[in-house]
Amino acid sequence: GAVVSQHPSRVICKSGTSVKIECRSLDFQATTMFWYRQFPKKSLMLMATSNEGSKATYEQGVEKDKFLINHASLTLSTLTVTSAHPEDSSFYICSAAPGGHQPQHFGDGTRLSIL
Amino acid sequence: SQQGEEDPQALSIQEGENATMNCSYKTSINNLQWYRQNSGRGLVHLILIRSNEREKHSGRLRVTLDTSKKSSSLLITASRAADTASYFCATDPTGANSKLTFGKGITLSVRP
Repeated sequence: GAVVSQHPSRVICKSGTSVKIECRSLDFQATTMFWYRQFPKKSLMLMATSNEGSKATYEQGVEKDKFLINHASLTLSTLTVTSAHPEDSSFYICSAAPGGHQPQHFGDGTRLSIL
Repeated sequence: SQQGEEDPQALSIQEGENATMNCSYKTSINNLQWYRQNSGRGLVHLILIRSNEREKHSGRLRVTLDTSKKSSSLLITASRAADTASYFCATDPTGANSKLTFGKGITLSVRP
């Protein structure tokens, strides 16, 4: 149980394109989901907390207009990287915890490459 | 901010040997978790130890927690080549609304 699905697994696109990444909890409801960014050989950096039915909470230094988060249902959160540029290239991972309790369960991540 | 700090940063051992990884943290916590990440994949939860627990076992994994020293260790016994991965400790700080803070990770290589 507690499966989190993330899609797509890999995106390659041109600079200026907006890219949407989906995170779904397949067998549980998630009022809260988390979005992370990971640079090569580095740790996960929390970008924002996605809250169902309300605005996301962004970590310091993360541009909310650049990284749009929508959590319209109890099983789906989306992260849209708007007008992506090469410096946005990274590995993005989402997670959710059933009932809001630890541990968190992670999606398989999305490798974003902006040319 | 980075709270968990693992050491060593990289570990290379022979199959069958034990692997010990350490994690230190700075603030009070509700629990500490260890995750595994295969290259290019998401994280897989391995084990969670609560702040009032001192030791926990799961299969070949043994985790200890010393809240007075703010440190934890992960022991993998009888390692296998398939254990090759990056391992992260993550703390669930008190009052942080379930937001985990990850360490930088340890790269474990198990030679067949």
